Amino acid sequence: DVKVTQSSRYLVKRTGEKVFLECVQDMDHENMFWYRQDPGLGLRLIYFSYDVKMKEKGDIPEGYSVSREKKERFSLILESASTNQTSMYLCASSPPGGGSIQYFGAGTRLSVL
Amino acid sequence: DAKTTQPPSMDCAEGRAANLPCNHSTISGNEYVYWYRQIHSQGPQYIIHGLKNNETNEMASLIITEDRKSSTLILPHATLRDTAVYYCTGAGVGRSQGNLIFGKGTKLSVKP
Repeated sequence: DVKVTQSSRYLVKRTGEKVFLECVQDMDHENMFWYRQDPGLGLRLIYFSYDVKMKEKGDIPEGYSVSREKKERFSLILESASTNQTSMYLCASSPPGGGSIQYFGAGTRLSVL
Repeated sequence: DAKTTQPPSMDCAEGRAANLPCNHSTISGNEYVYWYRQIHSQGPQYIIHGLKNNETNEMASLIITEDRKSSTLILPHATLRDTAVYYCTGAGVGRSQGNLIFGKGTKLSVKP
């Protein structure tokens, strides 16, 4: 079974802090994704990566950056956390050519106070 | 991306078949229909996908109408663990189509 592990289930941070959300997958997948999920807004793509050191912006990249130094790890960085970044963050991975069959982690519920 | 319409909620008795409909009248010819579900406090889980033929796997069956404007996900023998929000979406294949867009989905409640 594919396993996508997110480092934290719950996180509380203060406004202005730099926040790192880590995601690791164990199936050697090329593709990795970061989404946020908010009530009434559904799933929104922040960034994705098709290979090590490659990244592409999704629909809502502002205020976020990512890092993919190793194939199995994809990190989401909130440069200066703000209250409107309070959300559920979901990481996903998929094999090459299977971009729409994605395997998700359990999510990190981030609260920015 | 295809916009989808699903009923907000459905109930199903345990052991019975759950039939979840989805309208996707704007789906384009090369877009597949994907179904995911999300159990409370977990990430979404892929269920099944199809283009125009009916599909079946160990989790579910997918029936797509001939005009591809709607589809039905069938859970043949629903269990309490199938209680979740079910999403259908249209998506292409390949490198550029990884952006999943979910609507509000259908909240399926399986009752004993």
